[in-house]
Amino acid sequence: DTEVTQTPKHLVMGMTNKKSLKCEQHMGHRAMYWYKQKAKKPPELMFVYSYEKLSINESVPSRFSPECPNSSLLNLHLHALQPEDSALYLCASSLTRRWGVGMNTEAFFGQGTRLTVV
Amino acid sequence: EDKVVQSPLSLVVHEGDTVTLNCSYEVTNFRSLLWYKQEKKAPTFLFMLTSSGIEKKSGRLSSILDKKELFSILNITATQTGDSAVYLCAVAGGSQGNLIFGKGTKLSVKP
Repeated sequence: DTEVTQTPKHLVMGMTNKKSLKCEQHMGHRAMYWYKQKAKKPPELMFVYSYEKLSINESVPSRFSPECPNSSLLNLHLHALQPEDSALYLCASSLTRRWGVGMNTEAFFGQGTRLTVV
Repeated sequence: EDKVVQSPLSLVVHEGDTVTLNCSYEVTNFRSLLWYKQEKKAPTFLFMLTSSGIEKKSGRLSSILDKKELFSILNITATQTGDSAVYLCAVAGGSQGNLIFGKGTKLSVKP
């Protein structure tokens, strides 16, 4: 199983709503990532969790709140978003955050959640 | 500043053609270089390269890394319309060891 599963696939929310994106993997990966991707742009890193601890927050606004309840799950809680936050939100996982020779840490991506903020 | 530059940004070919996509990088603490194919949604993993000069091959796709000249190429032979996608190059490295993405090459294969 080399799958990263994200739910929901599509989400439309108002600026006052609270919603959550979910990501799950059962590959035993200990690093999990949230990326944001706008149309025709590459993915931009938002958060990195390593062994269930937040290790990187790329200056993301507090209206995005990540959570890693266990080694298989990663959530992204959304509150008071703006229309410019509309994007494809991608979750990814890799064996560890330690990339290097001899450590085949491919990063696998989920199918993404297409978020529209109205 | 760490950067990954892909060229061309877009490319239109006909079925059966061979294409070469380029990825050059200036990244501190280089760890590995990854190629992804992205159609409508998630990037799908193609190759990870860590050593210079060793070609990785999967069907009609192949890739090689040159760590001296700091670039990689992705070759696709006998292209098919199903190869139409954005091809992303990413380098693991930098101060945090994260994936640094290029802007991608949009490949369109016409019948």
